[in-house]
Amino acid sequence: EVQLVESGGGLVKPGGSLRLSCAASGFTFSSYNMNWVRQAPGKGLEWVSSISSSSSYIYYADSMKGRFTISRDNAKNSLYLQMNSLRAEDTAVYYCARGDGYNPNGSFDYWGQGTLVTVSS
Amino acid sequence: QSVLTQPPSASGTPGQRVTISCSGSSSNIGSNYVYWYQQLPGTAPKLLIYRNNQRPSGVPDRFSGSKSGTSASLAISGLRSEDEADYYCATWDDSLSGPVFGGGTKLTVL
Repeated sequence: EVQLVESGGGLVKPGGSLRLSCAASGFTFSSYNMNWVRQAPGKGLEWVSSISSSSSYIYYADSMKGRFTISRDNAKNSLYLQMNSLRAEDTAVYYCARGDGYNPNGSFDYWGQGTLVTVSS
Repeated sequence: QSVLTQPPSASGTPGQRVTISCSGSSSNIGSNYVYWYQQLPGTAPKLLIYRNNQRPSGVPDRFSGSKSGTSASLAISGLRSEDEADYYCATWDDSLSGPVFGGGTKLTVL
């Protein structure tokens, strides 16, 4: 059974940093692209970042470029999101999602339960 | 403002057929597969339709997807109360080099 478990969310002050983790199990992690998608309270889904299976291709949404860094450790079956210079508008539930295939393509076939990030003073 | 355009709401009575549209452009829907996600209240999204019209294992055949040109649609037949949820379309955008979502459609079963 595919499982994705996010952790690392919490309350952080504006300008602060946070590192999210996603522990994957139930599939060959190194064969799939991985993604972060967020959802602000009461709002729709917003793509954050994607990384290919071998980390060769990395993509970010414009509003995250330069502040967020996605990475993965295939030996540990883990996905990460380092978030710096956080703003109030980054407040959201952050989902880890598996993509279909080696390279990001807009598909998210399994999702974690999400971790809440709150940016507030 | 989402790159893909969906109606904010849709509704139907039990047993009815409802369709939800998703409009894009040549750089996204026009040249890539479309995916649909269902998000029940308080839960994580779930893949409903992949590669325009394919259903993952376990998704009832009441749900169907289609694509034509730069638009796509999700159809739900035999509407049931448990279908009440938010529905999102998504695809890859070649110009933006990343996935894009529709704004979501809240489906109400009357």
